Amino acid sequence: NAGVTQTPKFQVLKTGQSMTLQCAQDMNHEYMSWYRQDPGMGLRLIHYSVGAGITDQGEVPNGYNVSRSTTEDFPLRLLSAAPSQTSVYFCASSYSRGRSGGRYGYTFGSGTRLTVV
Amino acid sequence: AQSVTQLGSHVSVSEGALVLLRCNYSSSVPPYLFWYVQYPNQGLQLLLKYTSAATLVKGINGFEAEFKKSETSFHLTKPSAHMSDAAEYFCAVSEEGGTSYGKLTFGQGTILTVHP
Repeated sequence: NAGVTQTPKFQVLKTGQSMTLQCAQDMNHEYMSWYRQDPGMGLRLIHYSVGAGITDQGEVPNGYNVSRSTTEDFPLRLLSAAPSQTSVYFCASSYSRGRSGGRYGYTFGSGTRLTVV
Repeated sequence: AQSVTQLGSHVSVSEGALVLLRCNYSSSVPPYLFWYVQYPNQGLQLLLKYTSAATLVKGINGFEAEFKKSETSFHLTKPSAHMSDAAEYFCAVSEEGGTSYGKLTFGQGTILTVHP
């Protein structure tokens, strides 16, 4: 099925470990972004990309790296996990407004629940 | 810079009563506005969106929202609450242009409780 696929769905890390959260979309969307969700804070933007090879920081980028070598994939890397990175992570993709017509909107993955102990 | 404020982190209503969830936004350019619902331990589901067409937007599950530019608001309403509406609701804004391509800014969320 077309959409945004996130893996893994659950992960437990020890402090200091590194890992990569995977995100892939098959809708040929230009834009992709990563959010973290914490209680009482809504979802906050970590990093985003407007196309292959182009990324930029969002509201809470510290401790996370991204790259976008293809249109389809936008992995999020935790270099040295900390307990403060315990959260639920969502990846999203969208068309640019000019390409989408009435379909403009964001497609979200099902999320990755990460616990850092 | 865009921002969203959801008034009331918790809203409680009786079954059959009106649901009103408030959302105010700040944006330097014409915004695109969204309401999402999240049920416990699940992902985000789009309820409705405003993308500069009709200002009164109808969504799924009987919800609707009205874009009021003069009030910078996009409140979510439903005439009669059902028990199944109990969930967390998020308002979000996106801009096209400037430095805001493809980015959503979310409100803090409102947890809706429905009493029998």
